[in-house]
Amino acid sequence: KAGVTQTPRYLIKTRGQQVTLSCSPISGHRSVSWYQQTPGQGLQFLFEYFSETQRNKGNFPGRFSGRQFSNSRSEMNVSTLELGDSALYLCASSPGRGLTGGQETQYFGPGTRLLVL
Amino acid sequence: GDSVTQMEGPVTLSEEAFLTINCTYTATGYPSLFWYVQYPGEGLQLLLKATKADDKGSNKGFEATYRKETTSFHLEKGSVQVSDSAVYFCALSDTGRRALTFGSGTRLQVQP
Repeated sequence: KAGVTQTPRYLIKTRGQQVTLSCSPISGHRSVSWYQQTPGQGLQFLFEYFSETQRNKGNFPGRFSGRQFSNSRSEMNVSTLELGDSALYLCASSPGRGLTGGQETQYFGPGTRLLVL
Repeated sequence: GDSVTQMEGPVTLSEEAFLTINCTYTATGYPSLFWYVQYPGEGLQLLLKATKADDKGSNKGFEATYRKETTSFHLEKGSVQVSDSAVYFCALSDTGRRALTFGSGTRLQVQP
């Protein structure tokens, strides 16, 4: 099976712009989660989508949003970019079939590295 | 809220040395515990996991045991290789939530 793919891999934007990142999960996986990785804050959970619905949300401002399509592909959007949004954005997918979702393994993509100037 | 604490790095070892990376956690429910590894320029790869107390996860010579009484999930390997050089993250996901809480990561450097 192909792994999780993310596009683009690298992105440079300027403050005030907006950006959309894309994630294609492993075939058959229904849950997609997004994480932000920075040197200062480490790895932080942004949100999780399951069957096109946001199921869990981390502690990020409303400038960070996402959506999931019927084929489980997901996008996240960051509006009004700030310098502090520079980070590696990681997408992870999991089967989404278990009742005890916390036990499922999340499989990560290679990430999109965003630089805000 | 949930939290994960792992030992500060970097950890520098010689090839074939014994490795321990400490990890302790705080959680309100019954979490599952994970170790992920990140190689330079890449995303995270699952190394091993344990979903209930006293479970032992193992993979590629690495092991970790879920200790509920000490809220710990320490990573061990008997003989490290240069190829094990990477950043290791301990993480948990609480009951029913597909949202991982990560530790700060421990960089391992193995010298030949």
